[in-house]
Amino acid sequence: EDKVVQSPLSLVVHEGDTVTLNCSYEVTNFRSLLWYKQEKKAPTFLFMLTSSGIEKKSGRLSSILDKKELFSILNITATQTGDSAVYLCAVNSWGKLQFGAGTQVVVTP
Amino acid sequence: NAGVTQTPKFQVLKTGQSMTLQCAQDMNHEYMSWYRQDPGMGLRLIHYSVGAGITDQGEVPNGYNVSRSTTEDFPLRLLSAAPSQTSVYFCASSYGEGLGYTFGSGTRLTVV
Repeated sequence: EDKVVQSPLSLVVHEGDTVTLNCSYEVTNFRSLLWYKQEKKAPTFLFMLTSSGIEKKSGRLSSILDKKELFSILNITATQTGDSAVYLCAVNSWGKLQFGAGTQVVVTP
Repeated sequence: NAGVTQTPKFQVLKTGQSMTLQCAQDMNHEYMSWYRQDPGMGLRLIHYSVGAGITDQGEVPNGYNVSRSTTEDFPLRLLSAAPSQTSVYFCASSYGEGLGYTFGSGTRLTVV
């Protein structure tokens, strides 16, 4: 059975801290892995990863994929209160997205 | 370019009623999907479509029906609403397999 597992489920950090979120997966016909940010509304796209070892960066966020060990990490450096959200990992398999349960991140001032 | 448009944004139904959640996209995306989101469970796939006239079931299809007569529209029908269908529903679309999905703003459905 296909599965996507995120860890931790939640964490609380102080502004300026660095956060590392984990996503492991077991799916058939892997096409890509996606990260989304969700703030009480629709998920918004962060990254799409298809190749191992190539880091994607956008400002203070970065992500990397390991297709051999079947996991991805999302890093957020110098966190701000605006980074408080649920971060969702999804794997695209056969054109469908399978999501993990998400990691809730709370950044305190 | 409106992206993915869902209507209504909120809906309250009585048990046993039927209704249709509307989803439309103007990006000429072939792939469209419906998800439901419940607390602590992430998003779960209900139904999806890889093009007009083609639909298939996802992880939680029971109690829902879909059709895809045009590329733009992908309505989700609740046949006989049950309290277990209380959830937030998201429609999403993509250019194709392996690519990212764009989400609509969601429909919050309550069944009483």
